[in-house]
Amino acid sequence: QTVVTQEPSFSVSPGGTVTLTCGLSSGSVSTSYYPSWYQQTPGQAPRTLIYSTNTRSSGVPDRFSGSILGNKAALTITGAQADDESDYYCVLYMGSGFWVFGGGTKLTVL
Amino acid sequence: QLQLQESGPGLVKPSETLSLTCTVSGGSISSSSYYWGWIRQPPGKGLEWIGSIYYSGSTYYNPSLKSRVTISVDTSKNQFSLKLSSVTAADTAVYYCARHEVIAIDYWGQGTLVTVSS
Repeated sequence: QTVVTQEPSFSVSPGGTVTLTCGLSSGSVSTSYYPSWYQQTPGQAPRTLIYSTNTRSSGVPDRFSGSILGNKAALTITGAQADDESDYYCVLYMGSGFWVFGGGTKLTVL
Repeated sequence: QLQLQESGPGLVKPSETLSLTCTVSGGSISSSSYYWGWIRQPPGKGLEWIGSIYYSGSTYYNPSLKSRVTISVDTSKNQFSLKLSSVTAADTAVYYCARHEVIAIDYWGQGTLVTVSS
């Protein structure tokens, strides 16, 4: 069974930089998985941040960036702000019309 | 601006079939190269992809739910639907409909809570 792994929680200081990762229980994440990232605040639908590894969705501030770091996809927030405190989910495309969400990372800004 | 809106019963009895509809406005559900999908989120938990239907009519389901899921489209009403059979309390969740491509989900519905309880 394919499991997409994310850190359950992370904290960052205001103005700081944090990198969240998205891995596979078996194998490495590459651009071929078209990693995408979504931000969700309580009670709201998710918002698309990054797609196709490193393309920012329309209106997303450039303090959000995506990349491949080692064998994982990564979402980096540079200059974290209070309203970045959210849950962050990655999605990987496994091929043949099959997508898998990671378990999500709860980011605290304090 | 494309908008998606879920509708359907908020309460379903165990062993029955959950049925939801997503109405698309501001664009055609027949637009090429797009998938129309369902995603759910149990209370306090993460997101789970349920399945999607391609504009061509091909369907793709999460293997863990495949035996219970049917997604269909009604182009005349610009709607697509989800049916999940034999539900249990574990199927209690907020259900989102969404438009996506291979590389990204670009539009989400607001979500609708479905509770499975007798």
